[in-house]
Amino acid sequence: QLQLQESGPGLVKPSETLSLTCTVSGGSISSSSYYWGWIRQPPGKGLEWIGSIYYSGSTYYNPSLKSRVTISVDTSKNQFSLKLSSVTAADTAVYYCARHRVTIFGVAHSNWYFDLWGRGTLVTVSS
Amino acid sequence: SSELTQDPAVSVALGQTVRITCQGDSLRSYYASWYQQKPGQAPVLVIYGKNNRPSGIPDRFSGSSSGNTASLTITGAQAEDEADYYCNSRDSSGNLNWVFGGGTKLTVL
Repeated sequence: QLQLQESGPGLVKPSETLSLTCTVSGGSISSSSYYWGWIRQPPGKGLEWIGSIYYSGSTYYNPSLKSRVTISVDTSKNQFSLKLSSVTAADTAVYYCARHRVTIFGVAHSNWYFDLWGRGTLVTVSS
Repeated sequence: SSELTQDPAVSVALGQTVRITCQGDSLRSYYASWYQQKPGQAPVLVIYGKNNRPSGIPDRFSGSSSGNTASLTITGAQAEDEADYYCNSRDSSGNLNWVFGGGTKLTVL
């Protein structure tokens, strides 16, 4: 059974770079039809998609975060990572990694959905 | 602000039917997916595509779509269905960007 696990520092100072890694176990990160995504949730608030990556390295980022976000993949370690630069208190959140699945139907139509999630890790931005 | 709009809170009597809605222009072109989140837990996918349930999701959960509105219906709500529910879909830009609705807190009375 495939599982995802986030890891990284729980405390980051303002203006520094937040770095998290998601380790995929029980399956290959190089499977077709799957992207791998990051989603965050500030305390008491809703979900926000950060970005998604394919095992080839192709990425899609939330336009509102694009200037500060880098998502990368290491297929040899079955991991993908998130870097968010110049953080502020507003970036304090639970960060989730998830499998972003795409299924094709009809002609040139697709369903995208996050079908498996990690447990999440709280990152606090504070001096 | 989110491009997908949800009612902040909805309540339902135990055993009754409740519909949770999600509105947005992009829903005219793309299906929504729905997630259930209980306190302190990660979200769980409950509906995707036209009306598909992942393995393990009870058949009291169903999805539908009309115009710019996607709906999640729980037929015969149970106490364990009390949770936050989020919709998710591509945004209206036409690019591969995804947005979540603001979430709906479901209370089972």
